[in-house]
Amino acid sequence: NAGVTQTPKFRVLKTGQSMTLLCAQDMNHEYMYWYRQDPGMGLRLIHYSVGEGTTAKGEVPDGYNVSRLKKQNFLLGLESAAPSQTSVYFCASSYSRGGGNQPQHFGDGTRLSIL
Amino acid sequence: EDQVTQSPEALRLQEGESSSLNCSYTVSGLRGLFWYRQDPGKGPEFLFTLYSAGEEKEKERLKATLTKKESFLHITAPKPEDSATYLCAVQARETSGSRLTFGEGTQLTVNP
Repeated sequence: NAGVTQTPKFRVLKTGQSMTLLCAQDMNHEYMYWYRQDPGMGLRLIHYSVGEGTTAKGEVPDGYNVSRLKKQNFLLGLESAAPSQTSVYFCASSYSRGGGNQPQHFGDGTRLSIL
Repeated sequence: EDQVTQSPEALRLQEGESSSLNCSYTVSGLRGLFWYRQDPGKGPEFLFTLYSAGEEKEKERLKATLTKKESFLHITAPKPEDSATYLCAVQARETSGSRLTFGEGTQLTVNP
């Protein structure tokens, strides 16, 4: 089982460049999430989706956009990268049944450096 | 606003030396409290979900407990392979999309 797959694993960008991070899950999960993890800050939610074609803002959405055109994919875009967006980005997914409280399953992250 | 505070930030143990990690939380109605393990360069790996005060769950050398204000992750006779960062997260009852609020984690090192 692949679970949650993130591409690319590493990337270096220059300030002002744009890029898209891809997340794919093969567990037929309804919910998907994008987090960033920074030293001393823990995991912070950027955007999330409760189903195909829907997205919503999390705790730190500024500077990012997302799209969920297919149930299995969740894309995170940086339109104009800034050094403050240097971070490790994690994608996660979960089932929606049971009224919530389903565990989120994480990918292994994308390490992004903005110069 | 939901908040999660984990302590200590880092913990060094000798192999076989039992200890506990703390997760204090404030949440507007707890739906679930989650424990994850994260190895360097990897994503968090799910360990336990606790739903109500008094509940306990065990997995090998790990036991998680829950009160109305905090959760403990007890590690009994740890081994070097238990070295990792342990993350705690809460889910509020009224949250949409089953969102989690994470603590900053406790970095555990077990020396042989």
